[in-house]
Amino acid sequence: EVQLVESGGGLVHPGGSLRLSCAASGFTVSSNFMSWVRQAPGKGLEWVSVIYSGGDTYYADSVKGRFTISKDNLKNMLYLELNSLNLEDTAVYYCAKSGEQCCDFHNWGQGTLVTVSS
Amino acid sequence: DIQMTQSPSTLSASVGDRVTITCRASQSINNWLAWYQQKPGKAPKLLIYKASSLESGVPSRFSGSGSGTEFTLTISSLQPDDFATFYCQQYNSYPVAFGQGTKLEIK
Repeated sequence: EVQLVESGGGLVHPGGSLRLSCAASGFTVSSNFMSWVRQAPGKGLEWVSVIYSGGDTYYADSVKGRFTISKDNLKNMLYLELNSLNLEDTAVYYCAKSGEQCCDFHNWGQGTLVTVSS
Repeated sequence: DIQMTQSPSTLSASVGDRVTITCRASQSINNWLAWYQQKPGKAPKLLIYKASSLESGVPSRFSGSGSGTEFTLTISSLQPDDFATFYCQQYNSYPVAFGQGTKLEIK
């Protein structure tokens, strides 16, 4: 059974940094398209980033240059490094696994809340 | 960037009703469209991918259609568990984009 479990969220000041983790089980991150999607409180869904099986990465313009997606194939983990955080980055961050094509999101984690506040 | 527009934003319906939600893309996305259902406090759930393919385990009362720039999600007979917010999403090109959501409420 595919399972995704995020962790690492919390309260951070503007300009601060955070590292989110996503533990995967039931499949291997090494051979799948893996993404992060976020949702601000009371708002809609916003795609953040994707990493391909071969390591190629893509980002939303709103996070490009500040966020970095990565993975550890041996640990079967996905990560998102968040830097230079601002108030607009406050959201629940979900990790998601795509199907055969990127980027329809067949499996989602439960999400981890990042709150940016002074 | 491709913009996704859903209509309506809110929909009131009763159990047993047939409902349709429309999603329009600002340019052609071929069939690279997905539909999700989200309930409060929960992660989204994939219903439909590639415009009309039903995700495994999703009831057959959900169906998707369309191609190019116009797509629809149809629920043939609403059940009490179906009341939620629905999102469309294009994955034809980056940046991946979601619609703004359609909240399906009980009439």
